[in-house]
Amino acid sequence: GAVVSQHPSRVICKSGTSVKIECRSLDFQATTMFWYRQFPKQSLMLMATSNEGSKATYEQGVEKDKFLINHASLTLSTLTVTSAHPEDSSFYICSARKGIVNEQFFGPGTRLTVL
Amino acid sequence: GQQLNQSPQSMFIQEGEDVSMNCTSSSIFNTWLWYKQDPGEGPVLLIALYKAGELTSNGRLTAQFGITRKDSFLNISASIPSDVGIYFCAGLPQPGGGADGLTFGKGTHLIIQP
Repeated sequence: GAVVSQHPSRVICKSGTSVKIECRSLDFQATTMFWYRQFPKQSLMLMATSNEGSKATYEQGVEKDKFLINHASLTLSTLTVTSAHPEDSSFYICSARKGIVNEQFFGPGTRLTVL
Repeated sequence: GQQLNQSPQSMFIQEGEDVSMNCTSSSIFNTWLWYKQDPGEGPVLLIALYKAGELTSNGRLTAQFGITRKDSFLNISASIPSDVGIYFCAGLPQPGGGADGLTFGKGTHLIIQP
């Protein structure tokens, strides 16, 4: 199988606080994980590529100091939204690449609401 | 970043009808993937295509990697109510590899009337 989990599934926080989202590959090791953001009725937009043991690669326009990514092991990547603001409210989805093929398997997503 | 042109944006069909949607790009892709996303959930991989001209089936779903490497289509035969959802094409542009993130189309919203 290729199961990816995310935690939490939903989070509501106050403006100015930080939120950590975990992404785990449950039945395989993922050297590369990816973080996407999806606004309502829109497509998924790649935020960053997370590589185990090295720094994440961020897409243009994504602030690395605001969206901290840590890929501590082959099965876990975390995304921390620092000093969250209402405009950061979105659906955050991670994916993991399995093996050497180009398929990516997605987690169930995390709905972040910043008040 | 680059986006894929996916059409149609939405489809209203009767149960039992066949469905066809496609994605095009101005640049070459070396991998095409088709996903289905239900509300509030992550995308689920339906079909993966790796070679130009490749035609792959998964049950009632069939997808093809265009010969020019700039397009792909997905067909669903004999649609059923559980096919409702948003279908996304996604690709890895060339050059590039599995370490790259996916570029997504804007999605096709499939609505089925019983």
